Amino acid sequence: DAMVIQNPRYQVTQFGKPVTLSCSQTLNHNVMYWYQQKSSQAPKLLFHYYDKDFNNEADTPDNFQSRRPNTSFCFLDIRSPGLGDAAMYLCATSRGQGSIGHEQYFGPGTRLTVT
Amino acid sequence: KNQVEQSPQSLIILEGKNCTLQCNYTVSPFSNLRWYKQDTGRGPVSLTIMTFSENTKSNGRYTATLDADTKQSSLHITASQLSDSASYICVVSHRQAGTALIFGKGTTLSVSS
Repeated sequence: DAMVIQNPRYQVTQFGKPVTLSCSQTLNHNVMYWYQQKSSQAPKLLFHYYDKDFNNEADTPDNFQSRRPNTSFCFLDIRSPGLGDAAMYLCATSRGQGSIGHEQYFGPGTRLTVT
Repeated sequence: KNQVEQSPQSLIILEGKNCTLQCNYTVSPFSNLRWYKQDTGRGPVSLTIMTFSENTKSNGRYTATLDADTKQSSLHITASQLSDSASYICVVSHRQAGTALIFGKGTTLSVSS
């Protein structure tokens, strides 16, 4: 089945130790998104790629970076995780850019714990 | 300010009962409205998506309504099942190029036997 896959599902890292979360998709969608979702809160968009074009949200900390080496894969790098970065990280994809009619398909998420 | 407000924040119902979740939004200009179901520890899964001209859309036991004039939507769940226990998130799209999705905080539904 076509899907959005995130690895690992659970990640524990130490304060200040760089960590990378992975997302892959078999939908061949142009757009890939990274969201941060803290407990009992709505997902917050960090950034997205439209093909190779990177779009950063204005309030996304510099500590968060992303790479998209090809259509299928997208990575979220947290350079120096702080305790406040503990959250669920959701990857999503859509066929095109623009909110009109472009359904976003979410992966299962990676739960990040910072110790 | 573009906002999506959901009510109630949480809800507990008995298995087999019906329930209705509410979503009010101030997003303008409006493009479409989506309801997602998010199980604990999982990513959101789309239930329905409605454009400006649609009033009702069903997906099995889930029926969403939209009143674009009053900027209100509801999600009605019929004959609830234990597996319906989840967070239900209302998401509204801005009518513009880009990724502007405005998320509500969700309603947490617990269905008990």
